[in-house]
Amino acid sequence: DAGVTQSPTHLIKTRGQQVTLRCSPKSGHDTVSWYQQALGQGPQFIFQYYEEEERQRGNFPDRFSGHQFPNYSSELNVNALLLGDSALYLCASSPLDRSDYEQYFGPGTRLTVT
Amino acid sequence: AQSVTQPDIHITVSEGASLELRCNYSYGATPYLFWYVQSPGQGLQLLLKYFSGDTLVQGIKGFEAEFKRSQSSFNLRKPSVHWSDAAEYFCAVGPTGTASKLTFGTGTRLQVTL
Repeated sequence: DAGVTQSPTHLIKTRGQQVTLRCSPKSGHDTVSWYQQALGQGPQFIFQYYEEEERQRGNFPDRFSGHQFPNYSSELNVNALLLGDSALYLCASSPLDRSDYEQYFGPGTRLTVT
Repeated sequence: AQSVTQPDIHITVSEGASLELRCNYSYGATPYLFWYVQSPGQGLQLLLKYFSGDTLVQGIKGFEAEFKRSQSSFNLRKPSVHWSDAAEYFCAVGPTGTASKLTFGTGTRLQVTL
């Protein structure tokens, strides 16, 4: 059973560009959350998707947007990239079984903005 | 608002010695509590979690943690550290009843000397 997968592994972009990161949840999971982890920091919650809708959002600007597809996979889009957007972006999925509240994390996408 | 404090940024222990990593949280009710480990360049792996019941929880790799409501703490312990335990450790808090937004501490980097 594949866990949470993310693509690409690494990405280098220039300030002002736009980027799309992708996440496939663990089998049997329907909820996807995105986190940003800056160097030397703990992950910070960006938003969560359930039933193809944004259910909860952290303190991130509108430049950060997302989407969830019918197969539960998700995309994170960041527009007008800033140097400060350089970070490890983590995707986490949660199961359909509501008695399990664990979030399972993927390996992350390392985004570098130059 | 919920928050997590990990007061130790960096800890060094000798292989075979015991380990305790501190975590204090601020939350309006009884939260869900988690400890994650992150090896360099990797995603997050769950070590253990507390939802309810017995306040001493056992996790993978020989780790355990104790929930102390009176102290708002959830410290991670291991009786004998192995060199492979060197990594970054994150404590996280989440709301009860849902696999929702996690709030992470800033992490504790564990170095193990031989």
